[in-house]
Amino acid sequence: GESVGLHLPTLSVQEGDNSIINCAYSNSASDYFIWYKQESGKGPQFIIDIRSNMDKRQGQRVTVLLNKTVKHLSLQIAATQPGDSAVYFCAENLPIRGSGNTPLVFGKGTRLSVIA
Amino acid sequence: EAGVAQSPRYKIIEKRQSVAFWCNPISGHATLYWYQQILGQGPKLLIQFQNNGVVDDSQLPKDRFSAERLKGVDSTLKIQPAKLEDSAVYLCASSRKPTGVLAKNIQYFGAGTRLSVL
Repeated sequence: GESVGLHLPTLSVQEGDNSIINCAYSNSASDYFIWYKQESGKGPQFIIDIRSNMDKRQGQRVTVLLNKTVKHLSLQIAATQPGDSAVYFCAENLPIRGSGNTPLVFGKGTRLSVIA
Repeated sequence: EAGVAQSPRYKIIEKRQSVAFWCNPISGHATLYWYQQILGQGPKLLIQFQNNGVVDDSQLPKDRFSAERLKGVDSTLKIQPAKLEDSAVYLCASSRKPTGVLAKNIQYFGAGTRLSVL
């Protein structure tokens, strides 16, 4: 039961500090990547996305970095707040195919805990 | 804009019983997905619909799971008979039909149905 969730990689940060969450993706053909935030009892919520022709994209308090050479994504959260406490997932997407959208493939999540 | 609606939120059944989940996607979203999320893991795709047609069901355990989207809007996912290992959260997501090869596939998720099989 709950003990399985405790095996998620965990990152604990002080309120106000910056957080960096890392993710390795699997398919070098993936051309689109998304970070999702999932709070307890809720579905994943879109945070930020990036295409494979970019290596950095910024949003409000969040930045995503993409390193295609080593198939690595990171999510940086500036001035982390208690409301940022959640599980964060990266997801990769293969190119659009003739029949339309391709499914997202999710990585292993990271649990972010913000210490007030 | 209303989000993805799912029901029920919770379901407890005994093994070998049947269960069904319902999803209403965001209005106008042509693509609908069902994911299974086991505790402590990321969502895993079960089936993808484009309008009322199945695009990808390669990960769906077809001996016990079935899904339909008859009118291209809402969808149901059924498990019959359920096994203990089916205990998970079942998430429905939807996205717009891509308008080109550079279209973004942002999927919007419902709150999910938490299934416990005893």
